Amino acid sequence: GAVVSQHPSRVICKSGTSVKIECRSLDFQATTMFWYRQFPKQSLMLMATSNEGSKATYEQGVEKDKFLINHASLTLSTLTVTSAHPEDSSFYICSASGPGILAPLHFGNGTRLTVT
Amino acid sequence: DAKTTQPPSMDCAEGRAANLPCNHSTISGNEYVYWYRQIHSQGPQYIIHGLKNNETNEMASLIITEDRKSSTLILPHATLRDTAVYYCIVRVTGSSNTGKLIFGQGTTLQVKP
Repeated sequence: GAVVSQHPSRVICKSGTSVKIECRSLDFQATTMFWYRQFPKQSLMLMATSNEGSKATYEQGVEKDKFLINHASLTLSTLTVTSAHPEDSSFYICSASGPGILAPLHFGNGTRLTVT
Repeated sequence: DAKTTQPPSMDCAEGRAANLPCNHSTISGNEYVYWYRQIHSQGPQYIIHGLKNNETNEMASLIITEDRKSSTLILPHATLRDTAVYYCIVRVTGSSNTGKLIFGQGTTLQVKP
């Protein structure tokens, strides 16, 4: 089946620094990738839609200048949390969709970000 | 916003069938019903999806009512490893939405020995 790889799985950073998270589709080309955030005991919240070769589309309330998304190739999207603060500590999960609007989304195993 | 309603939690005995209900009364004609599950601290795992016909794969069966306002995910022989949060999601389609998934609160299924 389709595999989505996310790296790193865990990261701890100091307040004010930036952190980059990578999301790769290993065995298929993903024209669209999605980034989610999940706080403890809560559901996944969609942050943005990442389209290869164009600007990401952010959900309402998500700061595009704080969460930088780059989708430079059909197999790689990156999320950079800039000037991280403790309240950005969360579980970040990416997903990728192959060709076809109804292809199932496949999810990475998430990145646990802790900002100290 | 999520357009589905699920019970917050359910229990199931190991080896028995787990039947997880979902209401999606405002579903549109071209919207599919997707099911995912999330085991603690992992990314969601795709289970199954359907439009109006019942579907079955190696993991589960999906029963969709004729009016498409509700569906049931069936795990035929639940095991302890099936303990997870199960999400029923109506897939938003269309050129402006690019098929994104909006998650609701899901059902926490506890499979007990």
